[in-house]
Amino acid sequence: EAGVAQSPRYKIIEKRQSVAFWCNPISGHATLYWYQQILGQGPKLLIQFQNNGVVDDSQLPKDRFSAERLKGVDSTLKIQPAKLEDSAVYLCASSPQGAVGELFFGEGSRLTVL
Amino acid sequence: GQQVMQIPQYQHVQEGEDFTTYCNSSTTLSNIQWYKQRPGGHPVFLIQLVKSGEVKKQKRLTFQFGEAKKNSSLHITATQTTDVGTYFCAGIKAAGNKLTFGGGTRVLVKP
Repeated sequence: EAGVAQSPRYKIIEKRQSVAFWCNPISGHATLYWYQQILGQGPKLLIQFQNNGVVDDSQLPKDRFSAERLKGVDSTLKIQPAKLEDSAVYLCASSPQGAVGELFFGEGSRLTVL
Repeated sequence: GQQVMQIPQYQHVQEGEDFTTYCNSSTTLSNIQWYKQRPGGHPVFLIQLVKSGEVKKQKRLTFQFGEAKKNSSLHITATQTTDVGTYFCAGIKAAGNKLTFGGGTRVLVKP
């Protein structure tokens, strides 16, 4: 079974530029999550989708971050404009149903903002 | 909002020794999960606890969920170099559906 796919693995940009990350969850998984993991910290939930609807985006900085999951399959997370404090690993995860069960994480996209 | 705290933040263990890491939530949880993240890797699911006072074992790892469902612990016996990594607990608030991670315990093993 293929795992959660993310791209790009690494991205370096300058502040005020924009960046987009892509995630393809495990086939059949209804729930998709984007987490931000700053070095030395635990993952912080940015947004959670159930199929193509948003379940929770309370910690998403909506003035600069946006995410969509068209057709309820793959998803993109965009940052525009980026700030230095956005440097982190962006982890995508999926689960077969709600957050009650195991989350399957992708390898992550490491963002460095200079 | 819900907060999940883990102690200690760092754990240096001599190979062969035992240690315990603790997880505490500011709110009652419906369940708690534990993940392991190797250096440079992504979190990998270890286990989920649902019942008050539940204890589960995986080889040398013992997981416990507190009676009040606000805390949990992970005990590792006879630590090996393969146990190196960061162990995260993550809880779902009662009647909620959002998984909140703790800050993790970083485990280093001295051979």
